Amino acid sequence: QVQLQESGPGLVKPSETLSLTCTVSGGSISGYYWNWIRQPPGKGLEWIGYIYYSGSTNYNPSLKSRVTISVDTSKNQVSLKVSSVTAADTALYYCARMASMTTVSRRYFDLWGRGTLVTVSS
Amino acid sequence: SYELTQPPSVSVSPGHTASITCSGDNLGDKNACWYQQKPGQSPVLVIYQDTKRPSGIPERFSGSNSGNTATLTISGTQAMDEADYYCQAWDSTTALFGGGTKLTVL
Repeated sequence: QVQLQESGPGLVKPSETLSLTCTVSGGSISGYYWNWIRQPPGKGLEWIGYIYYSGSTNYNPSLKSRVTISVDTSKNQVSLKVSSVTAADTALYYCARMASMTTVSRRYFDLWGRGTLVTVSS
Repeated sequence: SYELTQPPSVSVSPGHTASITCSGDNLGDKNACWYQQKPGQSPVLVIYQDTKRPSGIPERFSGSNSGNTATLTISGTQAMDEADYYCQAWDSTTALFGGGTKLTVL
């Protein structure tokens, strides 16, 4: 059974770069899109972006200037970097899988990790 | 920019039908998904491509999407269905979520 596990520092200082890793176990990273989605405490979900296993990316325009998502197929890992963080970036960060479909509007997130909480504070 | 609007809360009595709406301009022309999130847990997909249920999701969960509104319907609602529910759709190549609806079963 495929599982996703997010990991990374739980505390990041303002203006620094947040770095997280999603490790995929029990299955291959190939053939899927891998997404990062975040949820500020007590609030709703915000999609950050995705990477296809081949390396192509797509980011939320609202975050695009600060976000980088990368993939390491040899390690079955996907990484997220968010630069110049502020308190507004404090959130539970989820990794989520999305099946490969030609029609974008038909895509959906079928498997989620447990999430990792990142707090931005000095 | 495109937005998805959900009611903040919906209440339902056990055994009755709950309906949660998600509104957006011509949402019926897109595909809507629904996710259930219980306290302290990750979201779980309950409906995708407007009407389809993933394996393991009870039949009491159903979805529809027409015009400007997608609807998640839970028939014979059980106490275990109490959770936050989020709709999701794509605006071109950007994934959008609704603000979420807290379903209370009382």
